[in-house]
Amino acid sequence: EIVMTQSPDTLSVSQGERATLSCRASQSVGSSLAWYQQKSGRAPRLLIHYTSTRATGIPARFSGSGSGTEFTLTISSLQSEDSAVYYCQQYESWPTFGQGTRLEIK
Amino acid sequence: EVQLVESGGGLVQPGGSLRLSCAASGFSFSDSVMSWARQGPGKRLEWVSAISVSSKNRDYADSVKGRFTISRDNSRNTLYLQMNSLRVDDTAVYYCADLVGRTTVFGHWGQGTLVTVSS
Repeated sequence: EIVMTQSPDTLSVSQGERATLSCRASQSVGSSLAWYQQKSGRAPRLLIHYTSTRATGIPARFSGSGSGTEFTLTISSLQSEDSAVYYCQQYESWPTFGQGTRLEIK
Repeated sequence: EVQLVESGGGLVQPGGSLRLSCAASGFSFSDSVMSWARQGPGKRLEWVSAISVSSKNRDYADSVKGRFTISRDNSRNTLYLQMNSLRVDDTAVYYCADLVGRTTVFGHWGQGTLVTVSS
């Protein structure tokens, strides 16, 4: 099983600033990496797949990068509605998720 | 608009059974690979099972293999998860989702249904 580890566990960033979330895989997943946003009490929502491809309707201020074992989700010009838990997921093999990063907007 | 609505969750004793349903609308269900995932209290998301469009191929996480059965009825646009021999650690919110293309990327998610296994 590929273990996904996210950092930090919690991130607090001011509105209008940029947030950088990291995700590390225990072995290479190539570019088979997705990011999801989950707001409190809601279902997860797909943001990005194949490392950097935004899902339909996702604004351009969400961007993904990386390859192999190190990946990054960047959210620029943070807005209050971006407050959520963000999960990475690999799908190179049977899918596994990271533990999540809680993003708080100051 | 894609809609996935799960139902069938509830409280069940260890060793018991439950059948979850997921009603789909707003997309071509019969052309979509479908999946179940779950999230236990304080735990990370976990993939549970997936089924191909024709039901020919069904895959399961090791943690549920032999106990859970995924199925679908394309005429009713409905996905199912039969859960037998339930354990306390099966307690979770169960989500259905469609998969993106031929990947295991979860494209759209339902709102989830809570399964609690407790005596």
